[in-house]
Amino acid sequence: TQLLEQSPQFLSIQEGENLTVYCNSSSVFSSLQWYRQEPGEGPVLLVTVVTGGEVKKLKRLTFQFGDARKDSSLHITAAQPGDTGLYLCAGAEYNNNDMRFGAGTRLTVKP
Amino acid sequence: DAGVTQSPTHLIKTRGQQVTLRCSPKSGHDTVSWYQQALGQGPQFIFQYYEEEERQRGNFPDRFSGHQFPNYSSELNVNALLLGDSALYLCASSFPGARFEELFFGSGTQLSVL
Repeated sequence: TQLLEQSPQFLSIQEGENLTVYCNSSSVFSSLQWYRQEPGEGPVLLVTVVTGGEVKKLKRLTFQFGDARKDSSLHITAAQPGDTGLYLCAGAEYNNNDMRFGAGTRLTVKP
Repeated sequence: DAGVTQSPTHLIKTRGQQVTLRCSPKSGHDTVSWYQQALGQGPQFIFQYYEEEERQRGNFPDRFSGHQFPNYSSELNVNALLLGDSALYLCASSFPGARFEELFFGSGTQLSVL
C-alpha cells in the first residue's frame, strides 16, 4: 500500500483546459512537496508546503495543503503542452529524515 | 554550479551479477538519498547517507548497500541482481541544515537486468 495515493493516474487534456490532481494519505506530514518529472530525467521540485491550509501559486499552478496536513492538490489553469509530464507528490512524516513519493499523475496536454 | 551527477547513465547486467552506481551531490550539499523508480511508478526510498553513515533505510533487502565518501559523493551497490531490480536509480542531494528537506535529483542510472 502506497503511503501517498495520487489521482488520477493518467490525465489527457487539450491545451487551454484547467485540471486538478490530488495527493491523499492517512498519515500526517510535516511538509509536502510536488515534483515534475520528464522522460529520461530526475524529478524537479516545484513547491514545498508546510502549513495546514496553505496555498501557494507558481504562475498558472496553484498548490494547496489540506487543513489536517494529510492531503494536497495541484491545480493548473490554461494548461499548455509544456506542462506535460509526471507529477509526483512527496511527504515527510514527523521524525523521519526521508521523503516518500506517490506513484504520480501522468499528464498529457495536447496542442 | 554543477548539479547532481550520476554515472553511468545506462547499464546492462545479467542475473546474479553485482553493480555499483555513483553519485556526486550538488555543490554545498552533504546529504545523499537513493531511490529506485520502476517503470510507471514513483520513486521508492532505498536509503539516505549523512556524514558517511546510513541515516535511514527504506524497505529494501540487504543486497542493497551504500557508502558515502568524505567529499560527500556516494555509491549504491546491489549484489545478486534479480530481474526485478531493473529500474531507474535516482540519487538526490539536499541542503544541510534546511528546516524542510528539498531534494535535488540527478538524471538517474537506467539499470537493465537480463
